[in-house]
Amino acid sequence: NAGVTQTPKFRILKIGQSMTLQCTQDMNHNYMYWYRQDPGMGLKLIYYSVGAGITDKGEVPNGYNVSRSTTEDFPLRLELAAPSQTSVYFCASSYSGTLGSSTNEKLFFGSGTQLSVL
Amino acid sequence: DQQVKQNSPSLSVQEGRISILNCDYTNSMFDYFLWYKKYPAEGPTFLISISSIKDKNEDGRFTVFLNKSAKHLSLHIVPSQPGDSAVYFCAAKAWVTSGSARQLTFGSGTQLTVLP
Repeated sequence: NAGVTQTPKFRILKIGQSMTLQCTQDMNHNYMYWYRQDPGMGLKLIYYSVGAGITDKGEVPNGYNVSRSTTEDFPLRLELAAPSQTSVYFCASSYSGTLGSSTNEKLFFGSGTQLSVL
Repeated sequence: DQQVKQNSPSLSVQEGRISILNCDYTNSMFDYFLWYKKYPAEGPTFLISISSIKDKNEDGRFTVFLNKSAKHLSLHIVPSQPGDSAVYFCAAKAWVTSGSARQLTFGSGTQLTVLP
């Protein structure tokens, strides 16, 4: 079972470069999310999507863009990389069943992308 | 403003003993709480959850306790095993008015080390 797959696992960017972090899930989840984790901090939500064609900002969206053209894929785009974007990025997905049910509440995470901007 | 706080960055416990990980929250709108476990170079994995209508939920060696009046929850692991060594994140959910998804707010994590 693949679950949530993220690529690449590691990347070093120069300031001002752009890149796309890829995320795909094979569980037919409608909800998908992008989080970043800085050292000693909790995961912070960047963007999320409740279905194909629908995206919304999370807590820390500045400097990022997303798109959701299919249920499976939710890429995260960095247009002008800055040192402040050095972080570990996690993609996640969840069911979209009855809100409040236990099966809907838990997120399934990918293994992460370690990004360094120098 | 950290709405979910894990004040202990690390905890060491002897194998076979109880591990107690604590979490405090400030947002009274949180109504669902989860614990995630994270090993190095892996994504977080779901461990156990509790709804605000309950005060305890148990799953094998793992029990989560919720004290709503104190805005405090704790994760108990009994007995602790070396394989439990990982970072444990507390997370909470509330309804958001600007979107239809219920967003998770994470604590900063506690590194648990179970010593053989």
